[in-house]
Amino acid sequence: DIQMTQSPSVLSASVGDRVTLNCKASQNINKYLNWYQQKLGEAPKLLIYNTNNLQTGIPSRFSGSGSGTDYTLTISSLQPEDVATYFCFQHNSWYTFGAGTKLELK
Amino acid sequence: QVKLLQSGAALVKPGDSVKMSCKASGYTFTDYIIHWVKQSHGKSLEWIGYINPYSGGTNYNEKFKSKATLTVDKSSSTAYMEFSRLTSEDSAIYYCARRRHFDYWGQGVMVTVSS
Repeated sequence: DIQMTQSPSVLSASVGDRVTLNCKASQNINKYLNWYQQKLGEAPKLLIYNTNNLQTGIPSRFSGSGSGTDYTLTISSLQPEDVATYFCFQHNSWYTFGAGTKLELK
Repeated sequence: QVKLLQSGAALVKPGDSVKMSCKASGYTFTDYIIHWVKQSHGKSLEWIGYINPYSGGTNYNEKFKSKATLTVDKSSSTAYMEFSRLTSEDSAIYYCARRRHFDYWGQGVMVTVSS
């Protein structure tokens, strides 16, 4: 099974900051990597699919990059509404989620 | 617009089964697979399995193979998951989600297993 490791587990940042969240797969996942945002009490929402494709309706301050085993989600200018937990997810070989990064406001 | 509407919360006794639903609207139900995902309290997400509404074909995470049964009713565009022999470890929120990308999710069903 492919394991997904996210870092950091908790991130505190200020409004306007550039924020980077990391995700590492236990083996090459061929860019089949998605990012989801989950706010408290809500279902996860797809932000980015296949590493760097922005889902319809998602603000352009979100972007993704990576290849092989290492992937990144970047928020170019943090907004208060971005407070949430972010999960990475691989769908190269079956389906596995990371443990999440909780993003807080400083 | 695409919507997945799930059934309400359930309180069940240990050893019982629970069947939950996921009603799709806003697209052709048989065009995309439906996944089911478990989120234990305060924890991450686990893929349970998926069903192809067109063929009825299924694939399960080995961990849930003896626990979950996925079915669909094409006439009502509804997917179902039955979870059997429940224990406290099965207390969680269960989501349905669409397509390989998991692009749309239901609102979740909270299942509480307690005597």
